[in-house]
Amino acid sequence: AQSVSQHNHHVILSEAASLELGCNYSYGGTVNLFWYVQYPGQHLQLLLKYFSGDPLVKGIKGFEAEFIKSKFSFNLRKPSVQWSDTAEYFCAVNYMIYNQGGKLIFGQGTELSVKP
Amino acid sequence: GAVVSQHPSRVICKSGTSVKIECRSLDFQATTMFWYRQFPKQSLMLMATSNEGSKATYEQGVEKDKFLINHASLTLSTLTVTSAHPEDSSFYICSATDDRGTYEQYFGPGTRLTVT
Repeated sequence: AQSVSQHNHHVILSEAASLELGCNYSYGGTVNLFWYVQYPGQHLQLLLKYFSGDPLVKGIKGFEAEFIKSKFSFNLRKPSVQWSDTAEYFCAVNYMIYNQGGKLIFGQGTELSVKP
Repeated sequence: GAVVSQHPSRVICKSGTSVKIECRSLDFQATTMFWYRQFPKQSLMLMATSNEGSKATYEQGVEKDKFLINHASLTLSTLTVTSAHPEDSSFYICSATDDRGTYEQYFGPGTRLTVT
């Protein structure tokens, strides 16, 4: 069965620290990959996405992610976090399965707390 | 562009009553809409996928008679929680994809349902 795993449940960092959140998906052929962020009390927002091409994708707010096909990974990174990055981060994968449209499988989420 | 709205944003109802939640794509035609449920501090759980004019496809374990989904037009899908009970209290989120074939989902702001 298709699955998505985020390794870190809760990450606590100080401002200016570097961030890397892990995301792995189970083998399943062609995939589209997404990172979403959910700020406290707000709805999901797309940070970045990978469909094809350059495996290093840049998103909003200084975030980037690298698709490593051999490792089935799509880790999220940011060189220097800010207090305002405190939020829940979700990795999501669309396994391009016929007749399932854009069905997304979400990871468990990682709560990021940035201390000022 | 690609804005999805939900109404209401919050609803409180008594046990045994039914509640309808609307999901609208405001500036695009949504070929497919998805309904998710999110428990506190947890990930999004896909409940069902609906395509305009056809019956919704429910995920395993989701009661289709309890969670009625209607996708009457290319811009509107509704989720009706029938005979609601306190355990149905949750955050319900819809999303929609357009017809461009990218399978990117645009998320609504969610509806907080509290059943007393």
